[in-house]
Amino acid sequence: GAGVSQSPRYKVTKRGQDVALRCDPISGHVSLYWYRQALGQGPEFLTYFNYEAQQDKSGLPNDRFSAERPEGSISTLTIQRTEQRDSAMYRCASSSQPQETQYFGPGTRLLVL
Amino acid sequence: AQSVTQLDSHVSVSEGTPVLLRCNYSSSYSPSLFWYVQHPNKGLQLLLKYTSAATLVKGINGFEAEFKKSETSFHLTKPSAHMSDAAEYFCVVSDRGSGNTGKLIFGQGTTLQVKP
Repeated sequence: GAGVSQSPRYKVTKRGQDVALRCDPISGHVSLYWYRQALGQGPEFLTYFNYEAQQDKSGLPNDRFSAERPEGSISTLTIQRTEQRDSAMYRCASSSQPQETQYFGPGTRLLVL
Repeated sequence: AQSVTQLDSHVSVSEGTPVLLRCNYSSSYSPSLFWYVQHPNKGLQLLLKYTSAATLVKGINGFEAEFKKSETSFHLTKPSAHMSDAAEYFCVVSDRGSGNTGKLIFGQGTTLQVKP
């Protein structure tokens, strides 16, 4: 079946603009995670959804970052007033249950000029 | 708090020789441990996982890892490297304490180079 998909795959934006990154999890997966991976680093946790409930947002770096999953399926990560330090690969993962294997999407590479 | 330390940022081996990628972890609870691989311009792929069953875990493409609680280690090995193994490898821990969300804590990664 289809894996996790993310769009766009690449996003170039200017400092100060807002961006929205989309994640489409594997069908039926209740758990959805967002991670951010800086160049040369391992991914770092941002936020977690169980169905539509955002149960952990401890990794969001500041209030410019927000995420939603209104119908318990597709999720959107929004970054307002982007800054150059936001440039990174943003990865989404889903799992059938909270502590089951996570399957990752291809990522969205964000470049803020 | 959980953490993962990958002891080598770069490992270089010749094709056909053994691979050893080292990982130590710290976890308050009985951990789940994983190795993920990332090929250039590709997504993260699960190689193998340990979740308190057998301590020697076999994964895809001939990789295996051994969970050693006394040493808090979860090293990744392969008897004979192939050119296609060249990639970045991440050791990952996930706490399984009550209420835990299953979020993953990644190591910094080890780049494996395979020379012909």
